[in-house]
Amino acid sequence: GDSVTQMEGPVTLSEEAFLTINCTYTATGYPSLFWYVQYPGEGLQLLLKATKADDKGSNKGFEATYRKETTSFHLEKGSVQVSDSAVYFCALINTGGFKTIFGAGTRLFVKA
Amino acid sequence: EAQVTQNPRYLITVTGKKLTVTCSQNMNHEYMSWYRQDPGLGLRQIYYSMNVEVTDKGDVPEGYKVSRKEKRNFPLILESPSPNQTSLYFCASSSVRDGREQYFGPGTRLTVT
Repeated sequence: GDSVTQMEGPVTLSEEAFLTINCTYTATGYPSLFWYVQYPGEGLQLLLKATKADDKGSNKGFEATYRKETTSFHLEKGSVQVSDSAVYFCALINTGGFKTIFGAGTRLFVKA
Repeated sequence: EAQVTQNPRYLITVTGKKLTVTCSQNMNHEYMSWYRQDPGLGLRQIYYSMNVEVTDKGDVPEGYKVSRKEKRNFPLILESPSPNQTSLYFCASSSVRDGREQYFGPGTRLTVT
C-alpha cells in the first residue's frame, strides 16, 4: 500500500541555519504531495503542496520539489527562525482516491 | 471566517460509555475526514466522506462509526470506547476541486480510562 517516510526527529537548529527534512513516498499512480505544519496545541495547517512531477511548492520561505524519479518531496528552508519551531508532516493523496497517508512527523526546535 | 470546529476539545470517559465527537465546517467542502494522532505514528485516517451519505474506511476504522447526513457535519462515534482509543483526534475538510488541501479542526483530546 501507499506509504510516506520522514526523517526522524527531533531536529535542533540554531536560528538562521539551513533546514532540510527528508520525505520519501511509495504510491501507485501520481499522487499529490503536501507538507503540513503543526504548532504547539493547534491543528495542522497546509504549508505547501505539489500536484505533479517537477512542481515546486513554496510558502513562507519553505520549498519542496516533487521528484518522481527519486519518489521524494524534501522540505527546505534557507534560514530558519525560532517561530518555525513546530512539527512538520509530509502527506500524500493518490490520484483519483481520497485516502490520505501521513508521515510520522518531524519535530523541529530552533534555538535563538 | 472559514473554519472547522470540533467539540468537545477535551474529554475523559470510561470504558464502554458511548460518546460522539462533533465536527462541522462552513466552507461547503465535499470531503471530510477523521484522523487520530499518536506519538511516533503521525496521523492515521479513521474514516472519510466524499459527500453526503458517502463514507469509506481509512486505515484504522475499527471501533469507530461515522455518518454524513448533512454536508457540513461529520460526527465521529465511539459506541464502546476502550483505553487504546485514547488519542488526539482531528477532523479535516477539503474541496475536491482545489488540489485537496485539507483544513483541520483544533483537535479533541480523548482519554478513556
